[in-house]
Amino acid sequence: GAVVSQHPSWVICKSGTSVKIECRSLDFQATTMFWYRQFPKQSLMLMATSNEGSKATYEQGVEKDKFLINHASLTLSTLTVTSAHPEDSSFYICSADRPVAGANIQYFGAGTRLSVL
Amino acid sequence: AQTVTQSQPEMSVQEAETVTLSCTYDTSESNYYLFWYKQPPSRQMILVIRQEAYKQQNATENRFSVNFQKAAKSFSLKISDSQLGDTAMYFCAFMPGGTSYGKLTFGQGTILTVHP
Repeated sequence: GAVVSQHPSWVICKSGTSVKIECRSLDFQATTMFWYRQFPKQSLMLMATSNEGSKATYEQGVEKDKFLINHASLTLSTLTVTSAHPEDSSFYICSADRPVAGANIQYFGAGTRLSVL
Repeated sequence: AQTVTQSQPEMSVQEAETVTLSCTYDTSESNYYLFWYKQPPSRQMILVIRQEAYKQQNATENRFSVNFQKAAKSFSLKISDSQLGDTAMYFCAFMPGGTSYGKLTFGQGTILTVHP
């Protein structure tokens, strides 16, 4: 099956620092990856669509200068939370898009818990 | 814009019994896909089942089946012979087939607890 690896699984950082989260598709190439944010016991909110070799597309209300996305290869997308503040504390999940039997399926990473002190 | 509504915040079921989770959606798209994902306590999102809107036949995957009512914009998930490992949060999700192809819109989720 398709495997998506997300690293780190948990990160604690001080306010004002930047944090990078990696999302890798281990056994398939992903032209498109997605980044979501999830608050406790709530749904996933799409933050941005990451396209290999081009700029990410951000959803309305998501600050692109705060959440930097880079999709430098067909197997790796990174999300950098710049100048993190306590309100950025959340669970971040990535997914990678893979065509399966005529439709695209998103396979998800295990998520990253970000705690900003 | 699409909306997905799951009206049951929490459900519980006894082991080996059957439970149905509800989902309704609203869209003006004619071509789209619907999914059910589960998120166990590990928080790893796992695909349970998918349905193409152009297919009239309801999708099934082992103990999981859907009741897809296109006219009513309803997409419920039936879990038969519930197992303890089915305990998770279940999300219904919509994906359009047009220019926004690939973008998932999730419902609010239903927390399912399977009791021994």
